Amino acid sequence: GAGVSQTPSNKVTEKGKYVELRCDPISGHTALYWYRQSLGQGPEFLIYFQGTGAADDSGLPNDRFFAVRPEGSVSTLKIQRTERGDSAVYLCASSLGGQVEETQYFGPGTRLLVL
Amino acid sequence: AQSVTQLGSHVSVSEGALVLLRCNYSSSVPPYLFWYVQYPNQGLQLLLKYTSAATLVKGINGFEAEFKKSETSFHLTKPSAHMSDAAEYFCAVRKAAGNKLTFGGGTRVLVKP
Repeated sequence: GAGVSQTPSNKVTEKGKYVELRCDPISGHTALYWYRQSLGQGPEFLIYFQGTGAADDSGLPNDRFFAVRPEGSVSTLKIQRTERGDSAVYLCASSLGGQVEETQYFGPGTRLLVL
Repeated sequence: AQSVTQLGSHVSVSEGALVLLRCNYSSSVPPYLFWYVQYPNQGLQLLLKYTSAATLVKGINGFEAEFKKSETSFHLTKPSAHMSDAAEYFCAVRKAAGNKLTFGGGTRVLVKP
């Protein structure tokens, strides 16, 4: 079956612009996660959705970052007034039901470059 | 807060030699532990996971890891390296009560012919 997909694969924007990153989880997975991976580092958690609601958004760095999952499937990560420090690979993952022992399946990521 | 430490950001091994990647975690309760591999320009792929069953966990591609509570370690090994093992490897921990993964900084493996 299809895995987690993310679009676009690459995004170049200018400082101050708004960007949206999309994640399509594996069909039937109710849990969805966003992570950010800066160059040379491990992924860092941003937000976790269970269904349509954000169950844990403690990793969002500030109020410029926002994410939605209105129908419990596709999710969009939104970044306002982008800064050069936002440049990173944004990873999305999904799991079946959000249980702690479940495997999180990762997408290929969106590489964001803010000029 | 949990943390995960991977000793060595880069490891170089000869083809056919033992691969040993170190991971130590800090947690007040035994966590769930994972090893992921990331090939260039690809997403993270699960190698194996420890979920409080057997302490020796076997994964894909010949990798295995042993959970040692007394040492708070979950080191990853493979008896004989293959050229296709060249990638970056991440150890991650997940609390029993939480859902997010906390990752180590990663170890990049180079395999020499």
